[in-house]
Amino acid sequence: GAVVSQHPSWVICKSGTSVKIECRSLDFQATTMFWYRQFPKQSLMLMATSNEGSKATYEQGVEKDKFLINHASLTLSTLTVTSAHPEDSSFYICSASPITSGYEQYFGPGTRLTVT
Amino acid sequence: KQEVTQIPAALSVPEGENLVLNCSFTDSAIYNLQWFRQDPGKGLTSLLLIQSSQREQTSGRLNASLDKSSGRSTLYIAASQPGDSATYLCAVYMFSGGYNKLIFGAGTRLAVHP
Repeated sequence: GAVVSQHPSWVICKSGTSVKIECRSLDFQATTMFWYRQFPKQSLMLMATSNEGSKATYEQGVEKDKFLINHASLTLSTLTVTSAHPEDSSFYICSASPITSGYEQYFGPGTRLTVT
Repeated sequence: KQEVTQIPAALSVPEGENLVLNCSFTDSAIYNLQWFRQDPGKGLTSLLLIQSSQREQTSGRLNASLDKSSGRSTLYIAASQPGDSATYLCAVYMFSGGYNKLIFGAGTRLAVHP
């Protein structure tokens, strides 16, 4: 149980284009979903937190107009990287907290974004 | 601001050794602490979750301890195997901005050679 999927698993896009990453909780409903970014050989850094139907809360230093988060339902959140640049190339990982658990986060497999 | 530090940053050991990974955190007001494993290019696998009221958790060859007052946790791996090679991440849950957020350490990269 508590499976989280991400799609796509990897994506290559050209500089200036936008790319959308989906995060789905497959067998549970998620109160809250989180988006993290991980640069090579570095740890996970929280980008933003979202609840279904509300605006996302962004961490300091994360541009909300560049990283658009839509938490459309209790099982789906999307992250759109707008006008991507090579410095946005990273590993993006989402997590979800089940309604029943209150706090524990279950992680997706991650999405590797490469911007050329 | 909570900071999580993991020592050592990298570790290379021969198969069969028992080893200890260290994690420290600056703010003891944590909700819980969790150890994860991450293989290269992959997502996270949860290993052990220790609630703030607990002092340790065990799963197979893994044992994690928590000392909230001193801001420390250790992950003990017994009889290491090449399959244990991965990055091990320590993370603490902190209540912030209305959410229970996870704050990660930078990880310990473990290599177990035959």
